[in-house]
Amino acid sequence: SQKIEQNSEALNIQEGKTATLTCNYTNYSPAYLQWYRQDPGRGPVFLLLIRENEKEKRKERLKVTFDTTLKQSLFHITASQPADSATYLCALDPGGFKTIFGAGTRLFVKA
Amino acid sequence: NAGVTQTPKFQVLKTGQSMTLQCAQDMNHEYMSWYRQDPGMGLRLIHYSVGAGITDQGEVPNGYNVSRSTTEDFPLRLLSAAPSQTSVYFCASSYTFGRVQEKLFFGSGTQLSVL
Repeated sequence: SQKIEQNSEALNIQEGKTATLTCNYTNYSPAYLQWYRQDPGRGPVFLLLIRENEKEKRKERLKVTFDTTLKQSLFHITASQPADSATYLCALDPGGFKTIFGAGTRLFVKA
Repeated sequence: NAGVTQTPKFQVLKTGQSMTLQCAQDMNHEYMSWYRQDPGMGLRLIHYSVGAGITDQGEVPNGYNVSRSTTEDFPLRLLSAAPSQTSVYFCASSYTFGRVQEKLFFGSGTQLSVL
């Protein structure tokens, strides 16, 4: 079955550093991959989408890479701020309107 | 523009009780879905709909019913609540492009406890 794996351990970094989160998937070749942010007690919020023919996508301080050979996406937050502290979810659509999500990685940015 | 609205925000049920979680969206999205989120397991798809009158099962449909009589509303019914249904429930919607849905908009969630 399709599976998405994200690092279950929380990531702690210092303000101003770059945070890098990993998303690995198996048993599927998605046409695109998405990243969402989720704050405690809130629903996920869409951040970025990267397609299979795109190696890299940027939005302000966010950068996503997509390696279809490794079946991996990396999510980077540069110049991180305490306000970036949240859980980040990776998601892909295996087709047929059934988007599946990873369990998420919790990021803590210390001032 | 309210986006996706879920009610109630919190609910406590006794085993065997029934209830309906409400979801409404004002973005004219064809696609709507229900997910449950449990610690360490991520979001799991319960049911989804690609338009009024059309629904289908997701990964974990047992114990839940849905219907879609209008584009705006997609209620989730628990017919006989069980403790295993204790979870946080999220409704989501999106546009569709052919058989692809790219960006999901989520509601703020319903925290359900079944005792």
